[in-house]
Amino acid sequence: NAGVMQNPRHLVRRRGQEARLRCSPMKGHSHVYWYRQLPEEGLKFMVYLQKENIIDESGMPKERFSAEFPKEGPSILRIQQVVRGDSAAYFCASSLTIAFEQFFGPGTRLTVL
Amino acid sequence: DQQVKQNSPSLSVQEGRISILNCDYTNSMFDYFLWYKKYPAEGPTFLISISSIKDKNEDGRFTVFLNKSAKHLSLHIVPSQPGDSAVYFCAASAKETSGSRLTFGEGTQLTVNP
Repeated sequence: NAGVMQNPRHLVRRRGQEARLRCSPMKGHSHVYWYRQLPEEGLKFMVYLQKENIIDESGMPKERFSAEFPKEGPSILRIQQVVRGDSAAYFCASSLTIAFEQFFGPGTRLTVL
Repeated sequence: DQQVKQNSPSLSVQEGRISILNCDYTNSMFDYFLWYKKYPAEGPTFLISISSIKDKNEDGRFTVFLNKSAKHLSLHIVPSQPGDSAVYFCAASAKETSGSRLTFGEGTQLTVNP
């Protein structure tokens, strides 16, 4: 029973490029969450999605960031025109229901040069 | 505004002894609390949780205590083992106002010495 999968594990981008981070939830999970961890800090909530719907994006920066969870395929976190301050670990979590035991993926470490 | 705080960045204990990790929160709307363990280069792993209607929850070597009046919770690990060495995050959620969003503390690095 595979856990939450994220790819790529490491992503290097130059300033101004686009970053696409993918997350496949655990089998049967329809709730997906994205969190960001900046160096030396805790995880910060970004967005909560269900299939084809964004439920809560209150933690998402207003510009350059977007997320989707299509009917088929993984959830995608997209960062346009990346800047150095976007360098962080991005974690995806999934849950079976709106219950709070969220299971996390291994994360994608984004480095912006 | 740091609504969940873990004031000890690090904690070192001897194998076999008790580890006590502490967490304070400010948002009185929080009604569900969780502890996660995280190894380097991995995602957080769920350990144990507690609802605000309880003051204690136990699972094997792990026990979480909740003091609502003090807005404080703690995680006890006994006996501590070297494999417990990791960063421990406290997290909280306010179901009524923020649904499933988890608010995390900054983490405490636990080192268990053989």
